[in-house]
Amino acid sequence: GAVVSQHPSRVICKSGTSVKIECRSLDFQATTMFWYRQFPKQSLMLMATSNEGSKATYEQGVEKDKFLINHASLTLSTLTVTSAHPEDSSFYICSARGWGDPDTQYFGPGTRLTVL
Amino acid sequence: RKEVEQDPGPFNVPEGATVAFNCTYSNSASQSFFWYRQDCRKEPKLLMSVYSSGNEDGRFTAQLNRASQYISLLIRDSKLSDSATYLCVVGRTGANNLFFGTGTRLTVIP
Repeated sequence: GAVVSQHPSRVICKSGTSVKIECRSLDFQATTMFWYRQFPKQSLMLMATSNEGSKATYEQGVEKDKFLINHASLTLSTLTVTSAHPEDSSFYICSARGWGDPDTQYFGPGTRLTVL
Repeated sequence: RKEVEQDPGPFNVPEGATVAFNCTYSNSASQSFFWYRQDCRKEPKLLMSVYSSGNEDGRFTAQLNRASQYISLLIRDSKLSDSATYLCVVGRTGANNLFFGTGTRLTVIP
């Protein structure tokens, strides 16, 4: 199956710093990439949808100036958590969807962010 | 109302047991249906797609009832390795994203 990677897998940072998370589709071109957040014992919540070369679409309640998304190519999307605070600590997961299979999303392994 | 609702769980079953999970979805425009499995602190992984005709993959059987907007997953002869959280996931026409249930935690006990 298709492979999606995320980097880093885990990050611990101080409050007020910015953290960048990369999501890459390794063996296919992703028309759309999705960013999710999952708090403990809760389901995945979609944060934003990004298409290559265009601005991301953010879900209600997600601050676009705080969670910066860049989708520069068909294989790479980045999420930057700016001025992170402890309440931003969560499991961030990206997924990617390719041309030939619009109903299937392939998930990255996730990034666990802890803000001290 | 939530887009996707699942049994709250948790389910604790002995090895070899049969266990069933249920899920309902609220939007009749939903067109694609899946069960994902998520292990602790890992990403979700697709277990199987769900079709109106029902489908089976080894010990796993998924069924869809569009009239009732209901999806089920049956696991037969449970193994210890089946312990995980099972996510009911729905996609719909006109929406880019998938909608996830909160998941049902299964623990298979030796």
